[in-house]
Amino acid sequence: AQRVTQPEKLLSVFKGAPVELKCNYSYSGSPELFWYVQYSRQRLQLLLRHISRESIKGFTADLNKGETSFHLKKPFAQEEDSAMYYCALKGGSEKLVFGKGTKLTVNP
Amino acid sequence: NAGVTQTPKFRILKIGQSMTLQCAQDMNHNYMYWYRQDPGMGLKLIYYSVGAGITDKGEVPNGYNVSRSTTEDFPLRLELAAPSQTSVYFCASSYRNSYNEQFFGPGTRLTVL
Repeated sequence: AQRVTQPEKLLSVFKGAPVELKCNYSYSGSPELFWYVQYSRQRLQLLLRHISRESIKGFTADLNKGETSFHLKKPFAQEEDSAMYYCALKGGSEKLVFGKGTKLTVNP
Repeated sequence: NAGVTQTPKFRILKIGQSMTLQCAQDMNHNYMYWYRQDPGMGLKLIYYSVGAGITDKGEVPNGYNVSRSTTEDFPLRLELAAPSQTSVYFCASSYRNSYNEQFFGPGTRLTVL
């Protein structure tokens, strides 16, 4: 079974502080992992995907197959990073499995 | 491009009523999806389609039906609305699927009373 766990429903940090949003997955094969973000009053959109190994808006995420994790990190959080973040897994089918999401609030 | 569009934005139904949530995309994507989002529960896949004339069930298909007669449109039908179907519904599309992002619509907020 494919499962995505985001253990933190809410996460609050101060501007300029580092932030890490946790994501753990369960899948026996080679997963494709994504982070999607939903800013207030905007539609859900892709933030980054593990295959691209890219940094988007200062965020990075490394796939750790040993720990089955794909945590999202940013060294210096900004107020505009406040949003709902979803980790998603695609494993061997056309379907994405989403975690329950983490609401990030960056305080001034 | 308008991307993925959904209508209506909001709807209130009475128990037992039926309705169709419309979804359209103008990106020539072959894959389309319907999700529901309940508070604190993330997104759950209802149905998806890999092309015109082909649909398949997702994680939570009961109480819903879909059709895909064209590449552009993927309507979701609720035949006998129940309070458990109160949710926010998102339509999404993607080109093929491997490593390609899904593009989401703005959502439809449905309340069943």
